[in-house]
Amino acid sequence: ETGVTQSPTHLIKTRGQQVTLRCSSQSGHNTVSWYQQALGQGPQFIFQYYREEENGRGNFPPRFSGLQFPNYSSELNVNALELDDSALYLCASSLAGVTDTQYFGPGTRLTVL
Amino acid sequence: EDKVVQSPLSLVVHEGDTVTLNCSYEVTNFRSLLWYKQEKKAPTFLFMLTSSGIEKKSGRLSSILDKKELFSILNITATQTGDSAVYLCAVGSYNNNDMRFGAGTRLTVKP
Repeated sequence: ETGVTQSPTHLIKTRGQQVTLRCSSQSGHNTVSWYQQALGQGPQFIFQYYREEENGRGNFPPRFSGLQFPNYSSELNVNALELDDSALYLCASSLAGVTDTQYFGPGTRLTVL
Repeated sequence: EDKVVQSPLSLVVHEGDTVTLNCSYEVTNFRSLLWYKQEKKAPTFLFMLTSSGIEKKSGRLSSILDKKELFSILNITATQTGDSAVYLCAVGSYNNNDMRFGAGTRLTVKP
């Protein structure tokens, strides 16, 4: 059984650029949630994908968008990057209906200069 | 607005001490409360609590939920340096699909 993986591990971008982060869910999990964790804070929910559709969204602007693919892997896209987007981005996979039991990936550390 | 508050924000103890971490919440239509340990990056699951008054234990760690007073505690006995981490509390609601996290408690265990 493979765990949740994320790529890249680290990323440095400049303001105004666009970024794509990737997540492969744990084997057998069909739901992926994305979180942003700023330094010294707890993770904040961005959105969740289930069966390739957005299935809940937190308080993030539309420049944060996502995709889920038929193999349940997922992407998080952020357009027009701002300095405050610098954070650890975590992806978590789960089985639909058991979303409390999420398994987190190691995260992508994004730095926006 | 739903919120989760953890205290203390940070804690420094010596090996062998017992610690109690607190998590209070205001969430409409409560579903569950989870505790995670975050050492470097990925939070790892510790406990899920849904019923009041039932203690969950795993080795030196234990946790309990009080749904009347809206809080949970995480106890760690005989702390070890390997317990040094950020401990996160997260609460789920039947109203939505997200888990709302607290800011975490940073625990440092000194030899």
